[in-house]
Amino acid sequence: IAGITQAPTSQILAAGRRMTLRCTQDMRHNAMYWYRQDLGLGLRLIHYSNTAGTTGKGEVPDGYSVSRANTDDFPLTLASAVPSQTSVYFCASSDDRVHGYTFGSGTRLTVV
Amino acid sequence: GQNIDQPTEMTATEGAIVQINCTYQTSGFNGLFWYQQHAGEAPTFLSYNVLDGLEEKGRFSSFLSRSKGYSYLLLKELQMKDSASYLCAVVDSNYQLIWGAGTKLIIKP
Repeated sequence: IAGITQAPTSQILAAGRRMTLRCTQDMRHNAMYWYRQDLGLGLRLIHYSNTAGTTGKGEVPDGYSVSRANTDDFPLTLASAVPSQTSVYFCASSDDRVHGYTFGSGTRLTVV
Repeated sequence: GQNIDQPTEMTATEGAIVQINCTYQTSGFNGLFWYQQHAGEAPTFLSYNVLDGLEEKGRFSSFLSRSKGYSYLLLKELQMKDSASYLCAVVDSNYQLIWGAGTKLIIKP
């Protein structure tokens, strides 16, 4: 692993199903983030974690939950998927504002 | 509310220079980032400005004017591989990133 790994790469999910998107980093960054990216819109923050054991809500948290049991892992769960959650999801981490965020390769989720 | 404005799309010619503008209105300011995102890929870090002025890094330069709420990314000697979206993002008073929708840059031979 080098950087941030997201899984799955893509997924088609039936509405109403539960889904967990996985995110793992090996850089020992304290802060981690989940964004969704939709056509014509900027990246929108779903949830964040400034350090292991803490989480916070971003701009669009409804329908999503996260946990941060350790430094490396930051899973995002959709409790009951809806079509409006169709999007590309990016996990990111940072440890130094000057060098910005490192992003995972993204998960393309389609809810039907 | 907080707002980041960038042109939706720009077209330029290989070998030329292009300037991508970004204006922002945010609650506080703690720095501005530029990221590059190729289609279907993750954003990658280009630059960070926190003080006024120009930061040069090879073919790419980024400028910031805090009093005007304005930044630009300057790309010189354009190459076909520079075809991508360029994202402007501002760190607000809560140290959260506010992202623009991105500028899609199309390079023509």
